[in-house]
Amino acid sequence: DSGVTQTPKHLITATGQRVTLRCSPRSGDLSVYWYQQSLDQGLQFLIQYYNGEERAKGNILERFSAQQFPDLHSELNLSSLELGDSALYFCASGSHLSGGDTQYFGPGTRLTVL
Amino acid sequence: GESVGLHLPTLSVQEGDNSIINCAYSNSASDYFIWYKQESGKGPQFIIDIRSNMDKRQGQRVTVLLNKTVKHLSLQIAATQPGDSAVYFCAENIQGAQKLVFGQGTRLTINP
Repeated sequence: DSGVTQTPKHLITATGQRVTLRCSPRSGDLSVYWYQQSLDQGLQFLIQYYNGEERAKGNILERFSAQQFPDLHSELNLSSLELGDSALYFCASGSHLSGGDTQYFGPGTRLTVL
Repeated sequence: GESVGLHLPTLSVQEGDNSIINCAYSNSASDYFIWYKQESGKGPQFIIDIRSNMDKRQGQRVTVLLNKTVKHLSLQIAATQPGDSAVYFCAENIQGAQKLVFGQGTRLTINP
């Protein structure tokens, strides 16, 4: 158990809908990272927050947004969902500002868009 | 450009044998490397890391080797067990890039 929690574990929705994925980092970690993993694909970095502020952006679509709250939990919002958004979404946390440090991953949210 | 890649997408070994998973990186400015293990349906799990000022680091049954001359990283797993079956990812930090870059992964299968 990495100490990172994610909810929900599974999410099934329809095209055009909007969903919110939630992540709680390990105790003491200030950084939260979001990744997308499609079937048999590697991890695609989406976005990083550190202590409530956006720090780095990757290949995140404009339909996606995220935020980190004062209690350090983070939410990833996915809107106008398309079939191709079906994937595993992972959250990771770390203790440092820099992305270049050990990141501990949560169990993921499996999103299925029908 | 920045890239982390794996030489082999799949690897099969007999239970009890040693396995070696390889990873090539292209950026000489990379200063930190991590190996992750991902079992089916689970999140990536940290295995071992190494900084660029080292060329070898050992953990429990795992060893990471770093060859900066040829920009090559490897993960050695000793006496493989069925529970070692998973996808293994290498990741690198390019100094100043603010993020880890992950390879595509190698699927390791342990045959009984």
